[in-house]
Amino acid sequence: AQSVTQLDSHVSVSEGTPVLLRCNYSSSYSPSLFWYVQHPNKGLQLLLKYTSAATLVKGINGFEAEFKKSETSFHLTKPSAHMSDAAEYFCVVSDLMNTGFQKLVFGTGTRLLVSP
Amino acid sequence: DVKVTQSSRYLVKRTGEKVFLECVQDMDHENMFWYRQDPGLGLRLIYFSYDVKMKEKGDIPEGYSVSREKKERFSLILESASTNQTSMYLCASRILAGASSYEQYFGPGTRLTVT
Repeated sequence: AQSVTQLDSHVSVSEGTPVLLRCNYSSSYSPSLFWYVQHPNKGLQLLLKYTSAATLVKGINGFEAEFKKSETSFHLTKPSAHMSDAAEYFCVVSDLMNTGFQKLVFGTGTRLLVSP
Repeated sequence: DVKVTQSSRYLVKRTGEKVFLECVQDMDHENMFWYRQDPGLGLRLIYFSYDVKMKEKGDIPEGYSVSREKKERFSLILESASTNQTSMYLCASRILAGASSYEQYFGPGTRLTVT
């Protein structure tokens, strides 16, 4: 089964400084990987996805992630944090079930705190 | 825009009650999902549905059942609510698109408290 590990439960940054949210995956085949964001009292929104095309993936709101097979990593970055980026972020991998159905497997989440 | 709606944002029920959580999507998606979200555990899949009247167990189906009589609606049922089912419940839907897609669209969630 595929899995993801989010290495930090909380990350604190100052507004205007870079953001790095770390994610490592475990997969026996070439995975599809995603980052979702959840703002307080809102549903999850897709930030970006990797599906075996370009290894550097650009998403919404200035976020990007790089798929590194040699390191089994899919870290999320942003050059300059904004107050509105404060939210919980989930790294997600697709997993092929015995039935042939693809499901999503979520990491435990990283809460990003942005201070003025 | 895809819209996934859930019947309640907040719900308080008593132990032993039968609880229905409703989810509706407006984009004719084939697949629908129910997750629960708990702090430090991320999202865990309870049940999913390939299409109308078709359902499969996810990773934590115990204590839950589901119903999908119409394509746009997917219901989660707690047969006899217990305090350990206090959680945030999220519904999602997905179109049966190309093999590399898999993106799911989520509703706002229902925060259920069982007392």
